[in-house]
Amino acid sequence: AQSVTQLDSQVPVFEEAPVELRCNYSSSVSVYLFWYVQYPNQGLQLLLKYLSGSTLVKGINGFEAEFNKSQTSFHLRKPSVHISDTAEYFCAVSKTGANNLFFGTGTRLTVIP
Amino acid sequence: DVKVTQSSRYLVKRTGEKVFLECVQDMDHENMFWYRQDPGLGLRLIYFSYDVKMKEKGDIPEGYSVSREKKERFSLILESASTNQTSMYLCASLGAPSYEQYFGPGTRLTVT
Repeated sequence: AQSVTQLDSQVPVFEEAPVELRCNYSSSVSVYLFWYVQYPNQGLQLLLKYLSGSTLVKGINGFEAEFNKSQTSFHLRKPSVHISDTAEYFCAVSKTGANNLFFGTGTRLTVIP
Repeated sequence: DVKVTQSSRYLVKRTGEKVFLECVQDMDHENMFWYRQDPGLGLRLIYFSYDVKMKEKGDIPEGYSVSREKKERFSLILESASTNQTSMYLCASLGAPSYEQYFGPGTRLTVT
């Protein structure tokens, strides 16, 4: 089975500072990896995904993530955050070719003016 | 644009009531999912469906059932609501081959 650990439940950061949200996964098989964002009172929307190919994945809103197979990590980064990035971020994993996702417990990013 | 809609944003029910949560998607997706979201626990899969009338249990199916009579509609049923089912419920549909799940806005259910 797959599992996901998001090490930080809350991350406060000042506006225009860089941020990294950490995600580690556990799986005995090949995986697909995802980051979703949830703005207040909304459903989740996809930020980016890794299915295959380049390990550096670029997503929407200036976010990127790097798949590191040896460290089983898929950390999310943004070089300069905006107030509008305040949201909850979820890392998720699925077995390659499978439809089911396993989600982490989420990281609440708060951008401080 | 894919649209996933849920019948209610907020719902208050009494213990023991039968509760129906409806989800509709407009993209002809075959796969649909029901999750519950609780603080500190993330999203947990309750049930999913990969075709009309087909369903599979997720990680926490106890106390829930589902119905998929039409491709676009996936219903979650709480046969006898209990206070520990107070939660946010999220529906999603899956578009292949992108493996991206599209989420509805959620239903915040309170059982008193």
